[in-house]
Order: sequence, then C-alpha cells, then structure tokens
Amino acid sequence: GENVEQHPSTLSVQEGDSAVIKCTYSDSASNYFPWYKQELGKRPQLIIDIRSNVGEKKDQRIAVTLNKTAKHFSLHITETQPEDSAVYFCAASSDNAGNMLTFGGGTRLMVKP
Amino acid sequence: DAMVIQNPRYQVTQFGKPVTLSCSQTLNHNVMYWYQQKSSQAPKLLFHYYDKDFNNEADTPDNFQSRRPNTSFCFLDIRSPGLGDAAMYLCATSSGPTGAYEQYFGPGTRLTVT
Repeated sequence: GENVEQHPSTLSVQEGDSAVIKCTYSDSASNYFPWYKQELGKRPQLIIDIRSNVGEKKDQRIAVTLNKTAKHFSLHITETQPEDSAVYFCAASSDNAGNMLTFGGGTRLMVKP
Repeated sequence: DAMVIQNPRYQVTQFGKPVTLSCSQTLNHNVMYWYQQKSSQAPKLLFHYYDKDFNNEADTPDNFQSRRPNTSFCFLDIRSPGLGDAAMYLCATSSGPTGAYEQYFGPGTRLTVT
C-alpha cells in the first residue's frame, strides 16, 4: 500500500517569510495529491490539490509542486500571515487505491507576527 | 449551503457505555468516511461506504461499527468505549468513484470517555 512521509513535523517562520513543507510517497501509481489545512479544533479543509499530469499549481500565495520521478511533492506558502498558522496534511491517492486517501503525518506551522 | 453535518459536536460517555455518533450530508456524495483523529496526529480511516458497500479497514477494532441507512446519513457506533477511544471523530464525503477526489470533512465530534 501507499506510504506518505511528511517533513518537517513543526515549522516556525516569521510573518512575511516563505514556508515549504515536503512529502514523499511510495506508490508510483498515485496520481492525486491534496493538501489539507486544519486549524485548532476545526475540520481539515482542502487548500490545494494537484494531479499527476501537471508539475505545478498555484493559487494566490499557495503553490504545490510535484516531481513524479522522485515521488515527492511540496507545498509552498509565500508571504506568510499569522492566520496561516495551522496543521497541514499532505495526502496521496490513486485510481487503483479504491476510495482511500493516505495522509502524511502533518506539519504544525507557526507564523510569528 | 451544501455541507457535512456531525452531531453531537461534543460527546461524553462512560467507560463501556455504548455511544453513537451521527453524520449527515447534503452533497449527495456516494462515498462517506469515518476517521478517528487523536491529538497532533493525522486522521486515521476507520471505514467507508461507497453507496451501500461497506469497507472496513483491516486494523479497525471490532468495537467500532457503522451504519448507512441512506445516502444522506451515516452512523458510527462504539459498542464499548475505552479510554483509548477518546478522540475527534471526523466524517467526510466525496463524490468518488475513487480516492482521487476531494474529501469534504464535517466539523467532527470530540468524544470524551470517563
């Protein structure tokens, strides 16, 4: 089955700096890579996702890059703001994996004002 | 607004006393999931339904059961809660047919076992 590893587990940045979170996956058949943001005590919410037919996707201050050869994908947040502070989870799935989504272990991002 | 609703938001139960958590959705999605999330951990899939087809994860304890009487509702039954079952329980839905579709999460039910 799929295995997703996420690093770092905690990340502290100064407001306005960039933050990068990296994930690796094991199943070369994986073709869908979402990122979820979970604020304290709240539900995980999808912030961006990418499919394996593209290498990069951007939505305002958030971007995701995918390297299929190396089997890793990354979340980039630019111009971080205190409200970006949350736990971020990467995940991977494939059309062959039934309905399962395999999550990474999460990264706690703290943006200091 | 279309959404995933969980009730109750907070549930306190006694050790060994059965408890049922509920989830409903107005998204008309085929797939409904139940996850267990403990502090500072990723959500752990317990089981899911694709329409009426039930899929149990191999390591989900027998103490956890689920029912999906119709498209809109799904229930999580914990037959004999232990202290280790205290967690946030998240319901999610997706339009399927595979895992490569966005999952929409409910707000969760925080279960406390005393």
